[in-house]
Amino acid sequence: AQKITQTQPGMFVQEKEAVTLDCTYDTSDPSYGLFWYKQPSSGEMIFLIYQGSYDQQNATEGRYSLNFQKARKSANLVISASQLGDSAMYFCAMSDSSWGKFQFGAGTQVVVTP
Amino acid sequence: DVKVTQSSRYLVKRTGEKVFLECVQDMDHENMFWYRQDPGLGLRLIYFSYDVKMKEKGDIPEGYSVSREKKERFSLILESASTNQTSMYLCASSPSGGLAGGLMSNEQFFGPGTRLTVL
Repeated sequence: AQKITQTQPGMFVQEKEAVTLDCTYDTSDPSYGLFWYKQPSSGEMIFLIYQGSYDQQNATEGRYSLNFQKARKSANLVISASQLGDSAMYFCAMSDSSWGKFQFGAGTQVVVTP
Repeated sequence: DVKVTQSSRYLVKRTGEKVFLECVQDMDHENMFWYRQDPGLGLRLIYFSYDVKMKEKGDIPEGYSVSREKKERFSLILESASTNQTSMYLCASSPSGGLAGGLMSNEQFFGPGTRLTVL
């Protein structure tokens, strides 16, 4: 069975600093995808970044980067130069290779302070 | 842009009522999903569908059923609502599942959510 763990329920970060959100996963499937989503207080889920299990390089999308350590089964999200608008809940998710179902972590609440 | 819409943002129902939550996507996606979101638990999969009239149970299907009569529409039904079904319900769709279109095509696009309160 697949499992996703986010061990940080919440964190504060100062504006312009970088923040790392932890995500570890467990699967026996060699083919899987890792996704990060942002959920602001308004409730919509916003896709941020994707990493495939066979990708050799860490994914980057603007200020977001994914620190993918396959041997350690971790896929941490790094947000550089935090902005006040980054305050939100962040979810890590893993898709399987059968139907593309997602397993979500419990989420990390990030609060960016001035 | 992919658009996933849900019939209501907020819904208040009474215990024992039959509740319908509707989800519509406009991008001809094969897969559709229903989740519930509760604090500290993340999103948990209730049901998903990979084709019209096809459905599969997710992790927490008890107390729920689904219907997919048309490709673009996926309905979640609470046959007899109970207070422990008070939650945020999120619908999602994806172009395909598994390895068929590449793992990136598993990206799920979400609706705005329905916050359901059962009194």
